[in-house]
Amino acid sequence: SAVISQKPSRDICQRGTSLTIQCQVDSQVTMMFWYRQQPGQSLTLIATANQGSEATYESGFVIDKFPISRPNLTFSTLTVSNMSPEDSSIYLCSVVRLRDLGSEQYFGPGTRLTVT
Amino acid sequence: LAKTTQPISMDSYEGQEVNITCSHNNIATNDYITWYQQFPSQGPRFIIQGYKTKVTNEVASLFIPADRKSSTLSLPRVSLSDTAVYYCLVGDGSSNTGKLIFGQGTTLQVKP
Repeated sequence: SAVISQKPSRDICQRGTSLTIQCQVDSQVTMMFWYRQQPGQSLTLIATANQGSEATYESGFVIDKFPISRPNLTFSTLTVSNMSPEDSSIYLCSVVRLRDLGSEQYFGPGTRLTVT
Repeated sequence: LAKTTQPISMDSYEGQEVNITCSHNNIATNDYITWYQQFPSQGPRFIIQGYKTKVTNEVASLFIPADRKSSTLSLPRVSLSDTAVYYCLVGDGSSNTGKLIFGQGTTLQVKP
């Protein structure tokens, strides 16, 4: 298994400001992802956080808005830049572990962001 | 990544068996079928994963027919604490991409 922590657990921010969310894993992992879950909705993949290189963003997400760092195999940050109320969501990081067959993804507890 | 279709919601009563079926008509040869559970204010949690036939663990069973175009998650004797959203996902199950594309999930409400 993998133990994942995120900081902060929640925050209330003013529009136009930026917030950096941290994700810490208890062991080295290759694959790390960032998701967003808007109120009452399913999870949407934002990007793959690549160690040592630029993150890979999904359609609809751009680096200027959601810059991601991955300095090592246990840590990543996601910044939500120039926030607007539409950015109010839960942001989750996740990591992948291989199983005997297939793989399993572990999720952090999430960061609940409210933009006023 | 194959798209999945599952019921938006289901109701059940304590002690009953719950079966949630997911359709994935475009599943690829190397895709695994995985189910996750999410409680409010928590991240999703892995329940079970399979490739074909039947898989059982201490939490649930997963039934996959021969054509693999659908799968059924079976929860035996549910309790109130099983009230959650259940997601069916299909992916290559490898570490090469690891990407998961979540559908809307099935909200299961267990009643006393």
